[in-house]
Amino acid sequence: EAGVAQSPRYKIIEKRQSVAFWCNPISGHATLYWYQQILGQGPKLLIQFQNNGVVDDSQLPKDRFSAERLKGVDSTLKIQPAKLEDSAVYLCASSFNSGRVYNEQFFGPGTRLTVL
Amino acid sequence: DQQVKQNSPSLSVQEGRISILNCDYTNSMFDYFLWYKKYPAEGPTFLISISSIKDKNEDGRFTVFLNKSAKHLSLHIVPSQPGDSAVYFCAASSPGETSGSRLTFGEGTQLTVNP
Repeated sequence: EAGVAQSPRYKIIEKRQSVAFWCNPISGHATLYWYQQILGQGPKLLIQFQNNGVVDDSQLPKDRFSAERLKGVDSTLKIQPAKLEDSAVYLCASSFNSGRVYNEQFFGPGTRLTVL
Repeated sequence: DQQVKQNSPSLSVQEGRISILNCDYTNSMFDYFLWYKKYPAEGPTFLISISSIKDKNEDGRFTVFLNKSAKHLSLHIVPSQPGDSAVYFCAASSPGETSGSRLTFGEGTQLTVNP
């Protein structure tokens, strides 16, 4: 079974530029998550999708960050305009809704963003 | 507001000995706890979990202990192997309206197992 795919793996941009990340979850996983991991910190949830609907975006800086999952499969996360403090690894994860209270999240390798 | 805290940024142990990684939390609504392991340039992978109705869960060399009254959990690795060298994240989940509830992660502990 293929894992969660993310691209690009690395991105370097200048502040005030825009950038987009792509995620393809594991086939059949209805729930998709985007996390931001700043160096020395744990991953922080930015947004959670259930199929193509947003479940939780309370920690997404909506003035500059946006995300979509139009057909309930792939997802893109965009930052516009980027700030220096956005330098981080952006992790995508997905989970299968088995009906249990908690379902394991499977993570992709992440996209390392450097904002200069 | 750091609801999940791993106070030790790093831990070094000898191969064959026990590794103990600690985690504290403040939110009493958390009811499910997980440990993830992360190698460089890879995403975190699930290691072991425990529900708040238990105080211990064991899976091979890995055991997680939960002390609800102290809001503390720990991961024991026995015996430790060089391949266990990685960053270990503690994470907690609270009941949500949908399955796959939000995870709150600690800062991580870098474990180094020396041959």
